[in-house]
Amino acid sequence: SQQGEEDPQALSIQEGENATMNCSYKTSINNLQWYRQNSGRGLVHLILIRSNEREKHSGRLRVTLDTSKKSSSLLITASRAADTASYFCATNSGGYQKVTFGTGTKLQVIP
Amino acid sequence: DVKVTQSSRYLVKRTGEKVFLECVQDMDHENMFWYRQDPGLGLRLIYFSYDVKMKEKGDIPEGYSVSREKKERFSLILESASTNQTSMYLCASSRDVLRNQPQHFGDGTRLSIL
Repeated sequence: SQQGEEDPQALSIQEGENATMNCSYKTSINNLQWYRQNSGRGLVHLILIRSNEREKHSGRLRVTLDTSKKSSSLLITASRAADTASYFCATNSGGYQKVTFGTGTKLQVIP
Repeated sequence: DVKVTQSSRYLVKRTGEKVFLECVQDMDHENMFWYRQDPGLGLRLIYFSYDVKMKEKGDIPEGYSVSREKKERFSLILESASTNQTSMYLCASSRDVLRNQPQHFGDGTRLSIL
């Protein structure tokens, strides 16, 4: 079953704009992770936020987590053409080693 | 850097064949995972392993089996390939997820069953 659901499914923006992607999930979590996937490649880990954290930054990435709403957002600031990729959220619900991935947001950054 | 290597980027097999997909990681990770990725469905977990010779079913284990004889290697086996197993297969490894360790992925194997 899919724990995370990303929104929107696809997003197209101009270079330099900010991109925001959202993830909703259904059960309580231990942590939430965001991954990027370039076309035809594997996933690359971007950032992990723990259930007791509300916000985390890494370079041009900002992740927020609202456990009361069971949702997270990924903000990419000052986007670049190289940010064009699919972005996935993944949740770990504790007690197990596995994570559950959402269906992803496809981001296109137009130069 | 962690390296997860999948043996083939592209593979074409015939219906009914036994298919082996191999994955090797070089960071002594305890956990290894096999996913399949299909358009609109995201990544779905087939099997995972948390130690040598240990395995756990994921969300869609039917038609698949796995083998982990050595810590660094995790094999996915399609016992009798069928056309609905045409997909992108991704292998990943990690340390303890409960201690907030991320997964590291290989580049995937695009498998076509004819």
